[in-house]
Amino acid sequence: AQSVAQPEDQVNVAEGNPLTVKCTYSVSGNPYLFWYVQYPNRGLQFLLKYITGDNLVKGSYGFEAEFNKSQTSFHLKKPSALVSDSALYFCAVRDIPGNQFYFGTGTSLTVIP
Amino acid sequence: DAGITQSPRHKVTETGTPVTLRCHQTENHRYMYWYRQDPGHGLRLIHYSYGVKDTDKGEVSDGYSVSRSKTEDFLLTLESATSSQTSVYFCAISEPPWDRVNTEAFFGQGTRLTVV
Repeated sequence: AQSVAQPEDQVNVAEGNPLTVKCTYSVSGNPYLFWYVQYPNRGLQFLLKYITGDNLVKGSYGFEAEFNKSQTSFHLKKPSALVSDSALYFCAVRDIPGNQFYFGTGTSLTVIP
Repeated sequence: DAGITQSPRHKVTETGTPVTLRCHQTENHRYMYWYRQDPGHGLRLIHYSYGVKDTDKGEVSDGYSVSRSKTEDFLLTLESATSSQTSVYFCAISEPPWDRVNTEAFFGQGTRLTVV
C-alpha cells in the first residue's frame, strides 16, 4: 500500500531563514507525490507535485520540493520564510492505478517574526 | 477553490440521527473523494467514486455510505451519527492521471460536523 510519513508535527523557523518540512514515502512503482497547504478554516490548497523528471520541483508562493529516490523522501523547502507561510502542510501520494490519495498527518509550520 | 461546493458548512446534530453531506462540483472531474480530518490523523479517506454509481471504500468507511447519481454530486451519509464522527469533512475531486498533467486533487472548503 502507498503511504507517506511526516515525522515532525511542528516546525518553527525564524522569518527570513530557510525552511524545510520533511516527508518520506513508501510506494510500489513510480510515485506521484504532492504537497498541500491548509490555512485555518480553509480547504487544502495544492502547492506542487512530482510526477517525473527533475528532482527539484517548483511550486506556488516560492516553495520547492526535492525528490530523492534513494532516501524515499520528498521534502518541502523555501529559501526565505515569511510569517504568512505559517500554516498546516500535508504531503500526499496518489495511488496508481487505484487513484486514491493518501495523506501524511500534517506538519504545523510557524514562522516567527 | 476549483468549483467545489460543500454543504452545509457547519452542522450540529444529535447522536443517532442520520446526516447527509453534499459535495457539488462544476469541473466535470471523474473522481470524487470524501475525507475526514482529525488532529493527529491528518486526512483519512472515507469513500471515493470513480464514476456515476461507481464507488469504493476507503480506510475509515465504517458508519458511512455514499452515493453518486450524477457526475457533479457526491453525497456522504452518516446513517446513525456517533460522537466519534465529529470531525471536519472534506470533499475532493481529480481527473485520471493519464496525461501526467492533471494529476492533483482539488479540495472543497470543508464541513464541520459536531455530533452531540
